[in-house]
Amino acid sequence: AQSVTQPDIHITVSEGASLELRCNYSYGATPYLFWYVQSPGQGLQLLLKYFSGDTLVQGIKGFEAEFKRSQSSFNLRKPSVHWSDAAEYFCAVEGTSYDKVIFGPGTSLSVIP
Amino acid sequence: DGGITQSPKYLFRKEGQNVTLSCEQNLNHDAMYWYRQDPGQGLRLIYYSQIVNDFQKGDIAEGYSVSREKKESFPLTVTSAQKNPTAFYLCASSRGDNNQPQHFGDGTRLSIL
Repeated sequence: AQSVTQPDIHITVSEGASLELRCNYSYGATPYLFWYVQSPGQGLQLLLKYFSGDTLVQGIKGFEAEFKRSQSSFNLRKPSVHWSDAAEYFCAVEGTSYDKVIFGPGTSLSVIP
Repeated sequence: DGGITQSPKYLFRKEGQNVTLSCEQNLNHDAMYWYRQDPGQGLRLIYYSQIVNDFQKGDIAEGYSVSREKKESFPLTVTSAQKNPTAFYLCASSRGDNNQPQHFGDGTRLSIL
């Protein structure tokens, strides 16, 4: 069965520091992978997506993610975090049936000034 | 600008009452979805609809009902059979093709009085 794990429930980083949020998925074939961000009391906004091709994907707001098939991972990175990046981040995987988008439990990011 | 509108932002329900959450989209998307979000559990799919006048149960459909009479509208009714309705409800839509990302509304927070 498809599943997504985000090992870190909460992460705190200093403003200007680099960031990496981990995501591991379980899926037999090549998955479609997404990262979403959610600000408090708001809906989810798509940061980036991976379908095929280049394993390093660029997204909005300076984020990127790298797909590593051997590690079943799709980690999200940002070289320099801004205070406005504080939010909840969700990794998601879509399988062969588009209605089955599986979301991870989320990682809450706090940014220290 | 195109988007998804959920209303109301906050909703209160008395025990034994049914309540309906509104979701309207002007993105011309075929597919629409309802998710429930609880702290630490990510998003769980309640119902989805691929086309007008058709919808399917998701993972946690018990105690909920939906209708899809128009392409742009997908209201969710939380019935009195739902014993733990307090949650944040998110509506989403997508083009309906495989691997198309979902676009989200800003959510409705439902609480029990």
